[in-house]
Amino acid sequence: EVQLLESGGGLVQPGGSLRLSCAASGFTFRSYGMNWVRQAPGKGLEWVSFISGSGATSYYADSVLGRFTISRDTSKNTLYLQMNSLRAEDTATYFCAKLAANLADYFDSWGQGTLVTVSS
Amino acid sequence: DIVMTQSPATLSVSPGERATLSCRASQDITSNLAWYQQKPGQAPRLLIYGATSRATGIPARFSGSGSGTEFTLTINSLQSEDFAVFYCEQYNSWPLTFGGGTKVEIK
Repeated sequence: EVQLLESGGGLVQPGGSLRLSCAASGFTFRSYGMNWVRQAPGKGLEWVSFISGSGATSYYADSVLGRFTISRDTSKNTLYLQMNSLRAEDTATYFCAKLAANLADYFDSWGQGTLVTVSS
Repeated sequence: DIVMTQSPATLSVSPGERATLSCRASQDITSNLAWYQQKPGQAPRLLIYGATSRATGIPARFSGSGSGTEFTLTINSLQSEDFAVFYCEQYNSWPLTFGGGTKVEIK
C-alpha cells in the first residue's frame, strides 16, 4: 500500500524559511515523479512543483519559482520542499502527491498534508 | 498556461439522483484529464484519468466523458458518501492546472 507522510509545516514569519518532508513507502520511490500541491484555506488546489524519479528534472509554478526548491533522497525514500522568502500568500496545506506513471502526469496517491502558516 | 473552468460552482442534488459536473479547458488537451474528489479535512482522491477511465476501487456510478476542451463527470444515484468537492486537472502540458472545483451538496 502506498503511503505518503508529510511533515515540517508550522508557523513562520514573512520572509522566513521552512523545509517540508514527505516520507514515502509501499512503492519503488526512485521510479516515480513526485509533486507538491498546495491548498490555501477554503480554496482550490494549486500545483507547486515536480521532480522526476531520477531527480534530474524539476518544474515549478511561476508563483514559487526562485523561492522554492524541490529535491528527493532515494536512499531515504523522502521528498523535500525547501521554501524560502515565504509570503502570506504561501499559507496553505501542502500535499505531496505521486504521479501515476511516466507520461501520465496525474496523481494517484496523496499524503494527508501539512499546514504552513506565514504570518507575523 | 491552460485554464480549467468548472461549472457549476455548487450543485445541490438529492440522494439517489444524478449529478453532472462540467470542466472546460482553455485549449485542446485531448484526453489528458483527471477528476478528483475531496472531502473536508481529507486529501484529494483520484476518480477518473484519461477523461474516461475509472481509478482502482472507484464505483461504477462514477463516469467521465469528453475530449478536447469539454469534459463531464457524471455521478449516478448519488450516495451519502459522494457529497464532496470535485476537481478536474489537465495534464496535457506543464504547468499542471486544476479547475476551481464543484461542490456537490445535499439538496
